[in-house]
Amino acid sequence: ETGVTQTPRHLVMGMTNKKSLKCEQHLGHNAMYWYKQSAKKPLELMFVYSLEERVENNSVPSRFSPECPNSSHLFLHLHTLQPEDSALYLCASTSTRLSSGNTIYFGEGSWLTVV
Amino acid sequence: AQKITQTQPGMFVQEKEAVTLDCTYDTSDPSYGLFWYKQPSSGEMIFLIYQGSYDQQNATEGRYSLNFQKARKSANLVISASQLGDSAMYFCAMRITGGGNKLTFGTGTQLKVEL
Repeated sequence: ETGVTQTPRHLVMGMTNKKSLKCEQHLGHNAMYWYKQSAKKPLELMFVYSLEERVENNSVPSRFSPECPNSSHLFLHLHTLQPEDSALYLCASTSTRLSSGNTIYFGEGSWLTVV
Repeated sequence: AQKITQTQPGMFVQEKEAVTLDCTYDTSDPSYGLFWYKQPSSGEMIFLIYQGSYDQQNATEGRYSLNFQKARKSANLVISASQLGDSAMYFCAMRITGGGNKLTFGTGTQLKVEL
């Protein structure tokens, strides 16, 4: 139990579906991330939110839409995905406060399959 | 730009033996942190150990130790007394202080512990 919870753990969706991935952290952190991990590829940073404001968007296609309503919750809304979007999506969180540790903790991941 | 290199795609070790997983990094920033994560087949990314660039001593956490050689820009992970449960993918990562709190990952090393 890392304090970062992702749901659902597994998701199968059609290309025309709309679904969302959810991430919740109970660590008092103020920054959250979405990473994508495809087979045989390094982890790719998708989005970074710091203090609920998006600070990074690494040219991710618009069919992925993040939402951070507060510092404890992060969503990834999925719409009209492609089969190549099938991957493991990892959420992570950390604290940017100087008095806090630097460790970035990850959730268990959401396995997404687009059919 | 920051870069992490893990040159060992796969490693084998016998149970109860020690193993070293290599990691080299490249950055021009003087302040950074180095992380090692373990990823079992279930997908979760488990934090193992952290080393700050200004830390004088090598980090240790139980059976994990980090062999930090700053001049060589290497941060190798040493696992002592390997166990079957150590079989997993291992990732080295770097975070630049003030660099948007992003983690840059290496490509990983698949470790297999044998009887």
